[in-house]
Amino acid sequence: GAGVSQTPSNKVTEKGKYVELRCDPISGHTALYWYRQSLGQGPEFLIYFQGTGAADDSGLPNDRFFAVRPEGSVSTLKIQRTERGDSAMYLCASSYRSGANVLTFGAGSRLTVL
Amino acid sequence: AQSVAQPEDQVNVAEGNPLTVKCTYSVSGNPYLFWYVQYPNRGLQFLLKYITGDNLVKGSYGFEAEFNKSQTSFHLKKPSALVSDSALYFCAVRDPSSSNDYKLSFGAGTTVTVRA
Repeated sequence: GAGVSQTPSNKVTEKGKYVELRCDPISGHTALYWYRQSLGQGPEFLIYFQGTGAADDSGLPNDRFFAVRPEGSVSTLKIQRTERGDSAMYLCASSYRSGANVLTFGAGSRLTVL
Repeated sequence: AQSVAQPEDQVNVAEGNPLTVKCTYSVSGNPYLFWYVQYPNRGLQFLLKYITGDNLVKGSYGFEAEFNKSQTSFHLKKPSALVSDSALYFCAVRDPSSSNDYKLSFGAGTTVTVRA
């Protein structure tokens, strides 16, 4: 597609539930990133994929968070046993490789855990 | 470690006046610097970047930014602000000399309000 697509745009869930957030990057972009943006803060790095593999998952806050990109295109961020503190905007971005290339962001998935 | 500081939470200007949004950075090597803008309930939109070369970089919507290595700054500027420039602005940095040169680190953001 023309841009990075994220679904759902809004997700409201109850504490303890499982959530999946999907990202469809720009066609041909091999690099894919997930960031988390809490209210009043800048985006914080979660995970970086180069192709199918997670090259750096050091930003994932704990083992309840996991992300996959099985075919090197669409990625899914999975959150188990959600907690109220997981409430945030989850942003996906893609680019050609990395380095000086510009990240193109999707509109984000806003997660609210009640 | 790389980091960005945006010292002002909010900037308020009148339409037609110059707009400046401040950013300072910290990296071990020469930085790649970026500005993004975010409108309510939207993702981040790229405005401009500095990689190398001319210290004055021109970007989208009439914005420009000046890289100052001695002051480790990359302030965003617009000569004549519009009401439609009201948004949240983020400065970001990458360190191309580091082992994780893909990682973009963002400041906390500056809310710009342009009054008519």
